[in-house]
Amino acid sequence: AQRVTQPEKLLSVFKGAPVELKCNYSYSGSPELFWYVQYSRQRLQLLLRHISRESIKGFTADLNKGETSFHLKKPFAQEEDSAMYYCALRRGSTLGRLYFGRGTQLTVWP
Amino acid sequence: NAGVTQTPKFQVLKTGQSMTLQCAQDMNHEYMSWYRQDPGMGLRLIHYSVGAGITDQGEVPNGYNVSRSTTEDFPLRLLSAAPSQTSVYFCASSPLGTDFDNYGYTFGSGTRLTVV
Repeated sequence: AQRVTQPEKLLSVFKGAPVELKCNYSYSGSPELFWYVQYSRQRLQLLLRHISRESIKGFTADLNKGETSFHLKKPFAQEEDSAMYYCALRRGSTLGRLYFGRGTQLTVWP
Repeated sequence: NAGVTQTPKFQVLKTGQSMTLQCAQDMNHEYMSWYRQDPGMGLRLIHYSVGAGITDQGEVPNGYNVSRSTTEDFPLRLLSAAPSQTSVYFCASSPLGTDFDNYGYTFGSGTRLTVV
């Protein structure tokens, strides 16, 4: 079985402060991890995928297999980062299916 | 490209009524799925399909039916609406294989359903 846990339902930071959204997973195989973001009144969209090791909008995420984590980080938060963030996992054997965490609502105050 | 189109955007139903939420994609994606989004519960998978004629249940399939007669369309049917089905419903599609790793899911804009 697999599970994605986002321990923080709500997270608030001030503009310019660092932000870290936590994601832990449980899966015995080799997972593929993703971060999706939903801005207010918009559709969900892909933010990051672990295999690409890229930085999008200043966000990065590193897959730590030892700690089974895929935390999302940004050194200096901006007000436009306020959104709902979902961590998602795909098992290597499951065609296309994603397992989502419960999401973290990030608010960046001015 | 229109991407993933969901209709309607809003709907109010009375308990016991039935209706169909429409989802269409024009990207020739093999994989399509329906999720419901509830506060504190995240996204929960209702049904999914890996191709025309193939569907399977997700985490919360009770009260919902799906069919996939074409690659483009994946309608979700509520058989007898209940207040517990009040939610925001999202349709998502993706290619399979390595293209999934590059592009992930494409989501529709959602249908906000209220059952009274």
